[in-house]
Amino acid sequence: EPEVTQTPSHQVTQMGQEVILRCVPISNHLYFYWYRQILGQKVEFLVSFYNNEISEKSEIFDDQFSVERPDGSNFTLKIRSTKLEDSAMYFCASRHTNQPQHFGDGTRLSIL
Amino acid sequence: LAKTTQPISMDSYEGQEVNITCSHNNIATNDYITWYQQFPSQGPRFIIQGYKTKVTNEVASLFIPADRKSSTLSLPRVSLSDTAVYYCLVGGWGQTGANNLFFGTGTRLTVIP
Repeated sequence: EPEVTQTPSHQVTQMGQEVILRCVPISNHLYFYWYRQILGQKVEFLVSFYNNEISEKSEIFDDQFSVERPDGSNFTLKIRSTKLEDSAMYFCASRHTNQPQHFGDGTRLSIL
Repeated sequence: LAKTTQPISMDSYEGQEVNITCSHNNIATNDYITWYQQFPSQGPRFIIQGYKTKVTNEVASLFIPADRKSSTLSLPRVSLSDTAVYYCLVGGWGQTGANNLFFGTGTRLTVIP
């Protein structure tokens, strides 16, 4: 069964550094998402992306965040200048039209 | 967005059938009901989705009464590996829009040997 894959599985970064989280969505999917989950808390929506542009974004997704689909297979989340509170699991998801979202297993981001 | 309410936790013995009920009193006409499962340090995994009546797949059944104000996820004969958090989500599905998912706190199911 096709899967959403995310790399790296764990990223450790100094506060203030830029970080890029990478995702390879399922190949024929059209809609892409990023979510995050702070340890012990709920899964929170960050941003959705369709047709090469952001569809919706949450209040969490401020100017420090950006997303990109640089080629036909990758979908990236960039955090420009990381803060301690950005430490969390970041999940990528994708779906086809009228289908449920499928999630990757996440990248654990640790900010020191 | 329809708010959902589900029990915070449940315990069950191995081999038992588990039913987790979710309330969604403000469900809209075009909302679907979807359940996800999440293990520690993994992404949510889609279990089942329905609009009304009963849906069954290889892992679970979903019962939705006529008023659609609640739904029940049924897991037959649970095993230790079913210990996880289960999320009930309600939202539009047939639309071509973003269909962002808004997770609640879920139900933490613990299966006991």
